[in-house]
Amino acid sequence: SAVISQKPSRDICQRGTSLTIQCQVDSQVTMMFWYRQQPGQSLTLIATANQGSEATYESGFVIDKFPISRPNLTFSTLTVSNMSPEDSSIYLCSAAGPSNTEAFFGQGTRLTVV
Amino acid sequence: DAKTTQPPSMDCAEGRAANLPCNHSTISGNEYVYWYRQIHSQGPQYIIHGLKNNETNEMASLIITEDRKSSTLILPHATLRDTAVYYCIVRTGGKLIFGQGTELSVKP
Repeated sequence: SAVISQKPSRDICQRGTSLTIQCQVDSQVTMMFWYRQQPGQSLTLIATANQGSEATYESGFVIDKFPISRPNLTFSTLTVSNMSPEDSSIYLCSAAGPSNTEAFFGQGTRLTVV
Repeated sequence: DAKTTQPPSMDCAEGRAANLPCNHSTISGNEYVYWYRQIHSQGPQYIIHGLKNNETNEMASLIITEDRKSSTLILPHATLRDTAVYYCIVRTGGKLIFGQGTELSVKP
């Protein structure tokens, strides 16, 4: 099984600023994903982080707001740009192998925008 | 959109088996069914996955109907620590798209 570390675990940020969240996996994985979980809600997929190329975003999410990098097979970052209170959520990183294997999740980054 | 339907909530007595149903009538032939659970907004915890055969591991059993349109997750002896939201997911194109899940409450 893969171990996923996310940094920071939580943060309180001023509106209008940006926060970059880091995700480190302890082994090489095929796929990495970023999710958002708003209070009391299920997880929503933001995008698939592609190694060495632009991320693939789900409907309703755009690169200008959530730029993502994945420079290698074990590391990815998600930036939440120009934050507003509506961005207050838990952001989770996930890593997975091929479609018939397990996918693992980090413990999330709890973001509060004030 | 999520391809699964689950009851929003269920109760189970401690020590009894918890049977969590899931409908996935539009599942394609090569798509796997995955189950995760989430406790207190921690990261989702992997439980089990399967394609068409029944699967069992140390945590649970997964029963998939022959037509693959539904499945049941079985926790054989539920404990209070199994109280969580359980998500049934059809993995599509490598992605896990979460629905609303079933909130399982295990009661003494």
